Amino acid sequence: EAQVTQNPRYLITVTGKKLTVTCSQNMNHEYMSWYRQDPGLGLRQIYYSMNVEVTDKGDVPEGYKVSRKEKRNFPLILESPSPNQTSLYFCASSPSGRSEAFFGQGTRLTVV
Amino acid sequence: GDSVTQMEGPVTLSEEAFLTINCTYTATGYPSLFWYVQYPGEGLQLLLKATKADDKGSNKGFEATYRKETTSFHLEKGSVQVSDSAVYFCALSNAGGTSYGKLTFGQGTILTVHP
Repeated sequence: EAQVTQNPRYLITVTGKKLTVTCSQNMNHEYMSWYRQDPGLGLRQIYYSMNVEVTDKGDVPEGYKVSRKEKRNFPLILESPSPNQTSLYFCASSPSGRSEAFFGQGTRLTVV
Repeated sequence: GDSVTQMEGPVTLSEEAFLTINCTYTATGYPSLFWYVQYPGEGLQLLLKATKADDKGSNKGFEATYRKETTSFHLEKGSVQVSDSAVYFCALSNAGGTSYGKLTFGQGTILTVHP
């Protein structure tokens, strides 16, 4: 089954404790991205990747890192999480930058 | 930059009522337009799309027409069901320059349908 898989689905952590949210797709898509969803703001892009080893900032990249060492994986790294990063995070992939995106189930992160 | 504006929610309807969720956009060039739906506890799913002016996207009884003259992409359904209760997002993708591949979303509209 074609899908985008994120882990974990739920995470509660403390300020400053490094964490990684994993994302994997099995559709051989070139384009992957991370979004955060906040009430009243819709979804905003954090980082994106057009292919292996090619990543760039989206609209709200501060406090986040990403890597793309393999085509299928695109982890999101929070080196020192802060409470303002409490949000619902989605990973998405698409065949190209012009196509519709396929989304993961989401990761609800709470930073206390 | 690009932007999408959706009608304010939440929207509450009775089953079999007519649904309209307004969406307007600002973008340079010729963006592709999408409606995504998010059911409780789930990720976003593509509901329908249109890639050029006057295209009509349709799926599961929902329709939306790409109107370049009014920069709109309003979502409609003739008869809603309880199972349509969800959050609906209008979005655009503009392939030019630094916007390549980025989806720009509206703020989302919560729809609740009562029996």
